[in-house]
Amino acid sequence: GQQVMQIPQYQHVQEGEDFTTYCNSSTTLSNIQWYKQRPGGHPVFLIQLVKSGEVKKQKRLTFQFGEAKKNSSLHITATQTTDVGTYFCAGPRSYNQGGKLIFGQGTELSVKP
Amino acid sequence: GAVVSQHPSWVICKSGTSVKIECRSLDFQATTMFWYRQFPKQSLMLMATSNEGSKATYEQGVEKDKFLINHASLTLSTLTVTSAHPEDSSFYICSASQGSTYEQYFGPGTRLTVT
Repeated sequence: GQQVMQIPQYQHVQEGEDFTTYCNSSTTLSNIQWYKQRPGGHPVFLIQLVKSGEVKKQKRLTFQFGEAKKNSSLHITATQTTDVGTYFCAGPRSYNQGGKLIFGQGTELSVKP
Repeated sequence: GAVVSQHPSWVICKSGTSVKIECRSLDFQATTMFWYRQFPKQSLMLMATSNEGSKATYEQGVEKDKFLINHASLTLSTLTVTSAHPEDSSFYICSASQGSTYEQYFGPGTRLTVT
């Protein structure tokens, strides 16, 4: 069945270091979405990428959608303690199942001050 | 914009009782609402999808008679956990979307503990 895989599962960095999480889909996606969930909180929508090869930036965060629209990455430059949380990528279920998303397992980021 | 509220934020109930959780989109009309369950350190597991005025569609393995969903309006969906048991204890999160190609906005979640 359709799968969205994310690596790494955990990442511990020193504050100021960079961080990258990778997302790979078993199928071609019409779009990819990224969410952040702080500890004890709920997922918060970060961004949606739609075009092949698209790159979008939000301050220190850079999101990329692969040319084949099957993979994506989130890169954080110079991490801060406020970046702590779990980052999920998500793609639409195959055959446009009414907006249902399939989520990756998430990458938990911890930042040591 | 795109604020989703969920009530209650936490609830403790006794085994055998029912619990209702409300999910509201506060500043937009949600054509679709989703209900998820999340276990600690795990990803989101979709339980069901609800569209205003129609029956919810449940994911495989989710008992529709146990998890009753009602989507009475474009801004309100409810999940009722009937005859709750300790194994139903979990973090339940709803999300709302303006359409099938749009992002989802999540409520703050409800932590259910069944004793």
